Amino acid sequence: DVKVTQSSRYLVKRTGEKVFLECVQDMDHENMFWYRQDPGLGLRLIYFSYDVKMKEKGDIPEGYSVSREKKERFSLILESASTNQTSMYLCATAKDYGYTFGSGTRLTVV
Amino acid sequence: QKEVEQNSGPLSVPEGAIASLNCTYSDRGSQSFFWYRQYSGKSPELIMFIYSNGDKEDGRFTAQLNKASQYVSLLIRDSQPSDSATYLCAVCCPGGYNKLIFGAGTRLAVHP
Repeated sequence: DVKVTQSSRYLVKRTGEKVFLECVQDMDHENMFWYRQDPGLGLRLIYFSYDVKMKEKGDIPEGYSVSREKKERFSLILESASTNQTSMYLCATAKDYGYTFGSGTRLTVV
Repeated sequence: QKEVEQNSGPLSVPEGAIASLNCTYSDRGSQSFFWYRQYSGKSPELIMFIYSNGDKEDGRFTAQLNKASQYVSLLIRDSQPSDSATYLCAVCCPGGYNKLIFGAGTRLAVHP
């Protein structure tokens, strides 16, 4: 089975901090995605990557950036954390049969 | 119009009943359709996917697809309290890159 590992389950950060969320997959999947999930708003795509060093903006990229230096690792960066970025962050990888999600990181910005 | 629409619920059914979850989508070019289950505080997990018109059964779950009506459904037979979760419908892949479009989910509550 594909395993998608997110480095932290819970994080608390201060406003203005630079925050790194890491995601690692153990299969050879090209496509990786970062979503945030908020009550009533569902899953919203922040960024995705279809190959090493390739990235595309999703629906809500403002305030975020990403890095994909190696195929197995896709990092989400909050350049200057704000309270409205408090959310559940989900990483996913995709092949032919839908996504496999990581366990999620619940980020609280205080 | 949202690309993938689901009734937010909650859908409340008694234990042992059939739960019926519905989803409509807007892009006629969508090729494949997925149902995910998400327990509170957990990440979504894939239950079923369907590509062809008609029904696809897997245990207590049946996915139904009608491309002409742009409609996907999930039936859960013999519903159990452990089925209580949010069910996400997802559609592949209008923007390419295996990028799924998700509905906001339907919350299902199965009561004893």
